[in-house]
Amino acid sequence: GAVVSQHPSWVICKSGTSVKIECRSLDFQATTMFWYRQFPKQSLMLMATSNEGSKATYEQGVEKDKFLINHASLTLSTLTVTSAHPEDSSFYICSARDSLYGGLRRNYGYTFGSGTRLTVV
Amino acid sequence: LAKTTQPISMDSYEGQEVNITCSHNNIATNDYITWYQQFPSQGPRFIIQGYKTKVTNEVASLFIPADRKSSTLSLPRVSLSDTAVYYCLVGAVNRDDKIIFGKGTRLHILP
Repeated sequence: GAVVSQHPSWVICKSGTSVKIECRSLDFQATTMFWYRQFPKQSLMLMATSNEGSKATYEQGVEKDKFLINHASLTLSTLTVTSAHPEDSSFYICSARDSLYGGLRRNYGYTFGSGTRLTVV
Repeated sequence: LAKTTQPISMDSYEGQEVNITCSHNNIATNDYITWYQQFPSQGPRFIIQGYKTKVTNEVASLFIPADRKSSTLSLPRVSLSDTAVYYCLVGAVNRDDKIIFGKGTRLHILP
């Protein structure tokens, strides 16, 4: 089945530094990827939609200059948390959609990565 | 995506059958119902998807009444490892819609 690889699985960084998280679709092409953030005991909150070859679309309230998204190829999207602060500490999850899945798509064709635990100290 | 309502939490015991109901009164004609499971510190995992009546796979069953305004995820003979958050999502599968998650149901299986 479709596999989405997300790296790193956890990262600790100092306040003020930047952190890059990668999301790769391993066995399918993804024109669209999504980035979520999840705080403890809460649901996933959609941050942005990453579109291959074009600018990402950010949800209301998400700072696009702080959360830089790049979707340079059909198999890779990256999320860079710039000038990270302790309040950015969270669990970040990506999902990818098989762009070639035609007709009836199983589970919307969306597969989720295993998540990245970011801790800013 | 159609708004969904599901219980915030549920407790059950090992070996029992667990049924989690999701309400989606505004479901559209071309919407499908999909359930995801999420363990702590992991991404959501697809469980089952259906449009009407009953769907069964190796993990769960999904019951959908004729009016499709609700659905019930049934987990047979649960074990401790079924402790997780379960999300009910409703939407069209043939569009590039983003997935907006509701609060989900936190299922706690007791020994």
